[in-house]
Amino acid sequence: GDSVTQMEGPVTLSEEAFLTINCTYTATGYPSLFWYVQYPGEGLQLLLKATKADDKGSNKGFEATYRKETTSFHLEKGSVQVSDSAVYFCALNQKTSYDKVIFGPGTSLSVIP
Amino acid sequence: NAGVTQTPKFQVLKTGQSMTLQCAQDMNHEYMSWYRQDPGMGLRLIHYSVGAGITDQGEVPNGYNVSRSTTEDFPLRLLSAAPSQTSVYFCASRGNRGGSGTEAFFGQGTRLTVV
Repeated sequence: GDSVTQMEGPVTLSEEAFLTINCTYTATGYPSLFWYVQYPGEGLQLLLKATKADDKGSNKGFEATYRKETTSFHLEKGSVQVSDSAVYFCALNQKTSYDKVIFGPGTSLSVIP
Repeated sequence: NAGVTQTPKFQVLKTGQSMTLQCAQDMNHEYMSWYRQDPGMGLRLIHYSVGAGITDQGEVPNGYNVSRSTTEDFPLRLLSAAPSQTSVYFCASRGNRGGSGTEAFFGQGTRLTVV
């Protein structure tokens, strides 16, 4: 079945460091791909998405490119801030079963001043 | 602009007790889901609904029941609580107009402890 794999955390970075969180998926066809973020004590919220191959999603300085050839959707940010400390979830949704979203295990990020 | 509202935010139950977690959305979304979040396991789908009167099981449905009598509400019932059900529960809703690229909206979660 479909699945999402993320790099293990927790990840700890200094402020202004470069961030990469790896995400790869297993799915047939061309699913839509998402990154959701969960700040402490809150629910998940959409960070960015891409719905077809080679699309780049971007928001709040974060970017991710849908790579069909490597089945990846890695999250990047050039300069992290303390306020970026959160848990990040990669997710996919198939066009044939769009009532179910499949999430990765999440990657916890801590940014220290 | 309430979005998805879950109640309660915190709950402690004794083993064997039953309870209902409430979820309501005001966005007229067709799709609603319940997830549980456990350390190192991400979000696992419990039950979902594609519209009023239609529900189906997700990945981990045992011990839980759902119903969808209205578009707005999607309660989750724990029939006989067990310590293994200690978790954080999230309700989510999605519209269907954007296809598979449609954003899911989440409630703030219910932290449940079963002792």
